[in-house]
Amino acid sequence: DIRMTQSPSSLSASVGDRVTITCRASQTVSSYLNWYQQKPGKAPRLLIYTASSLQGGVPSRFSGSGSGTDFSLTISSLQPEDFAIYYCQQSYRTPFTFGPGTKVEIK
Amino acid sequence: EVQLMESGGTLVQPGRSLRLSCAASGVTFDEYAMHWVRQAPGKGLEWVAGISWSSGGIGYAESVKGRFTISRDNAKNSLYLQMNSLRVEDTAVYYCVKDFLQDYAGGIFDSWGQGTLVAVSS
Repeated sequence: DIRMTQSPSSLSASVGDRVTITCRASQTVSSYLNWYQQKPGKAPRLLIYTASSLQGGVPSRFSGSGSGTDFSLTISSLQPEDFAIYYCQQSYRTPFTFGPGTKVEIK
Repeated sequence: EVQLMESGGTLVQPGRSLRLSCAASGVTFDEYAMHWVRQAPGKGLEWVAGISWSSGGIGYAESVKGRFTISRDNAKNSLYLQMNSLRVEDTAVYYCVKDFLQDYAGGIFDSWGQGTLVAVSS
């Protein structure tokens, strides 16, 4: 199975900050890398697919980049509604696997 | 707007069986692959199973292979997960998830239900 790791596991940031989360795959996943946001008690929400494509309805302050094994999710200006857990997930091959998550908290 | 509504989650004893259902609306159900993804309490996300639009392609996580069966009824806009020989470690919220693509190997989860809790305990 392809193992996904994320860093940091958590971070504290202020409204307006630029935040970057990284994701690494144990082997290449080409550009088959997706990002999800999950708020407490809610289902995850797709933000970015195939590394850099913004899902419809997602604010443009979210962006993704990378290919191969190293990827990043950037929030250009953190908003109050962005405090959540972010997961990366590879869709290169089954079994699809997720990273452990990065918790973004309010400083 | 896509709506996915899971049902069937409950408290069940180890070794017993349970069937989850998911009713889809607001989407042309038979054009997309579907999946089940689970999340143990306080833990991360785990893909459980996926099925292509026509049921021609199906895949499972190793942890459930041989015990769980995914199926769909396109006429009823419904997805199912038959869970047999349940274990304590199967305890989780189970999400019904729509794929971006027709083939379950697409693996882009673009719409999620609210989840249904399955608790396996004696």
